[in-house]
Amino acid sequence: AQSVTQLGSHVSVSEGALVLLRCNYSSSVPPYLFWYVQYPNQGLQLLLKYTSAATLVKGINGFEAEFKKSETSFHLTKPSAHMSDAAEYFCAVSGPGGYNKLIFGAGTRLAVHP
Amino acid sequence: DSGVTQTPKHLITATGQRVTLRCSPRSGDLSVYWYQQSLDQGLQFLIQYYNGEERAKGNILERFSAQQFPDLHSELNLSSLELGDSALYFCASSPGQGYGYTFGSGTRLTVV
Repeated sequence: AQSVTQLGSHVSVSEGALVLLRCNYSSSVPPYLFWYVQYPNQGLQLLLKYTSAATLVKGINGFEAEFKKSETSFHLTKPSAHMSDAAEYFCAVSGPGGYNKLIFGAGTRLAVHP
Repeated sequence: DSGVTQTPKHLITATGQRVTLRCSPRSGDLSVYWYQQSLDQGLQFLIQYYNGEERAKGNILERFSAQQFPDLHSELNLSSLELGDSALYFCASSPGQGYGYTFGSGTRLTVV
């Protein structure tokens, strides 16, 4: 069975600092991995996805993530945080078969302070 | 606008009642997924439909049911509502494996 663990339910950074949100996955097959962002009172928006092409994936709003098979990780990073990055971030996994069902992590709430 | 439309945006109803949530997928997407989001359970997969057929079931209660119609819109029916059913219900659609989902803005259900 596939699963996702997001380390840290809350992360706080200063504006301009590095953002690092951690995600580890468990999958018996090569996974597809995704990061989504949710702003208050809104739906989830796709930030980026890994589908077995390049291991370093660039997404929207300056975010990127690196797939590391040896570490079963897919951490999300951004070099310099903006106030507008404050939101909840979800890592998700799916795999071949399973009809494309996404399994989400518990989410990490990112706070950005001046 | 993500292209996935959910109605209504808010719903307040009493315990024991039945409600229907509606979702129109993004144009061209054949798959529709329903998720429940609550503070204590996080994002829970409920059910998936593909081109009118049920494809996968998750943590969906027997009091809940769904269907996808020939025009590909989907409805989630929640009956005998309990206080614990209060949550955000999201619909998402996808063109296929590896593409990720496009989410609607959700229906916030409050059971009083």
